[in-house]
Amino acid sequence: GESVGLHLPTLSVQEGDNSIINCAYSNSASDYFIWYKQESGKGPQFIIDIRSNMDKRQGQRVTVLLNKTVKHLSLQIAATQPGDSAVYFCAENNAGNMLTFGGGTRLMVKP
Amino acid sequence: ETGVTQTPRHLVMGMTNKKSLKCEQHLGHNAMYWYKQSAKKPLELMFVYNFKEQTENNSVPSRFSPECPNSSHLFLHLHTLQPEDSALYLCASSQDPQAATNEKLFFGSGTQLSVL
Repeated sequence: GESVGLHLPTLSVQEGDNSIINCAYSNSASDYFIWYKQESGKGPQFIIDIRSNMDKRQGQRVTVLLNKTVKHLSLQIAATQPGDSAVYFCAENNAGNMLTFGGGTRLMVKP
Repeated sequence: ETGVTQTPRHLVMGMTNKKSLKCEQHLGHNAMYWYKQSAKKPLELMFVYNFKEQTENNSVPSRFSPECPNSSHLFLHLHTLQPEDSALYLCASSQDPQAATNEKLFFGSGTQLSVL
């Protein structure tokens, strides 16, 4: 899940399984959402984005789902690999404002 | 490689030192940003530059002084920092300013700063 605070939630999955990382956003006016991946010692890297006129978008091995009714965003990673181990951030935005980042979820992939 | 390069990667400084962080973007973007990433907080926006003009200062203490000589280069000058300023400082760029349109950010690898 998503957390802003003193600890980073952790999701531990077995290599080859699917991963689902969740994010609850706060602003009902947000109309653009991004998922970032941050590996140790690196800056956040763009994974996938989605606009509010869509509820699903697919990339390579990743899918983002948007539920505007409950203000929920999720990132699904298919066939999780060790290289997917990282911290994943969601970010929300609406025109005229800056991206607001969540606290992140740590994904650990067990071999 | 995201096209945004930051130097140095690591920096240790005393509270009386003056140092500068450098960022260069090779993407032809018009907007550049400084973010602070602490262990226990989400990414915090510090400064925004659009076409070399500062458009946002997010209540950052004056001991942090940004400089943007052109749309490809961004500096963060540091002076009399405090230990609580220790963090990862990230530079980012986008084609156009986020305040004008929804844009994804491209981040550098950051400078890990330790203030003793």
